[in-house]
Amino acid sequence: DSGVTQTPKHLITATGQRVTLRCSPRSGDLSVYWYQQSLDQGLQFLIQYYNGEERAKGNILERFSAQQFPDLHSELNLSSLELGDSALYFCASSGHIQGRNTGELFFGEGSRLTVL
Amino acid sequence: GQSLEQPSEVTAVEGAIVQINCTYQTSGFYGLSWYQQHDGGAPTFLSYNALDGLEETGRFSSFLSRSDSYGYLLLQELQMKDSASYFCAVLTGANNLFFGTGTRLTVIP
Repeated sequence: DSGVTQTPKHLITATGQRVTLRCSPRSGDLSVYWYQQSLDQGLQFLIQYYNGEERAKGNILERFSAQQFPDLHSELNLSSLELGDSALYFCASSGHIQGRNTGELFFGEGSRLTVL
Repeated sequence: GQSLEQPSEVTAVEGAIVQINCTYQTSGFYGLSWYQQHDGGAPTFLSYNALDGLEETGRFSSFLSRSDSYGYLLLQELQMKDSASYFCAVLTGANNLFFGTGTRLTVIP
C-alpha cells in the first residue's frame, strides 16, 4: 500500500460526458502528479500541483483540468469525453528534500476510465 | 522537451541476469529513476541515480552516465515474479518525472 488513495477504481461513461477523479496523497506529501496510461503505453505526464499551486503542465488537453485543495487532495476533471480518453489515470505523490523531488513517486492504484 | 528510449521487450531465463538500457534527451536533468509495473498494477519505485555510477539494492542495480545520457537497470538472479514492465524516468528541473515507454520483461523457466 503506497498510501495514495484514488477513487473511483473503475468508471464507465459515454462520449461527451464529464467525470471527476479524486486523489488523496500520502500523509505529509505536498506534491500531487497526474499521469495517463493508455493500453500498453507509457505514463504520460499531465499536471503537477505543489501545496495547492499548479507547478507544471505536461500534455494535458484543454478538456481536462485539475486542482489541489487546501487539504492537499486533488481532483482531475475530464470533460467532453472521447473514446480515446479511455485509459488508466494515475495519481502520485512525493516527498521533497529541501524542495527537490527525490525521484521517488508513490502511485495510487489508478482509476480505469472506459468511454463508450 | 524530453525523450527517452528503452527496448520494448526483453526475454530472459529464470536465474539469469538481464540489463535494460535507457537513453534520454532532456533539459534540466537532475536524475534517473526506475519503476516496475505489473500488469494492471501501479508503478512502484525501484531506484534513483542522481550521480554517475552504480547503485545496488538487493538483486537490482541501476547505473547512470550523465555524460552519455545513458542509464541501465540490472536485474540479477531473475525470478518469475520479475516479469513486469520496467520504466526509466528522468527527473527534470521542474521537479517532474517524465517516463519512457517501458520495457516488458518476460522471465521464462
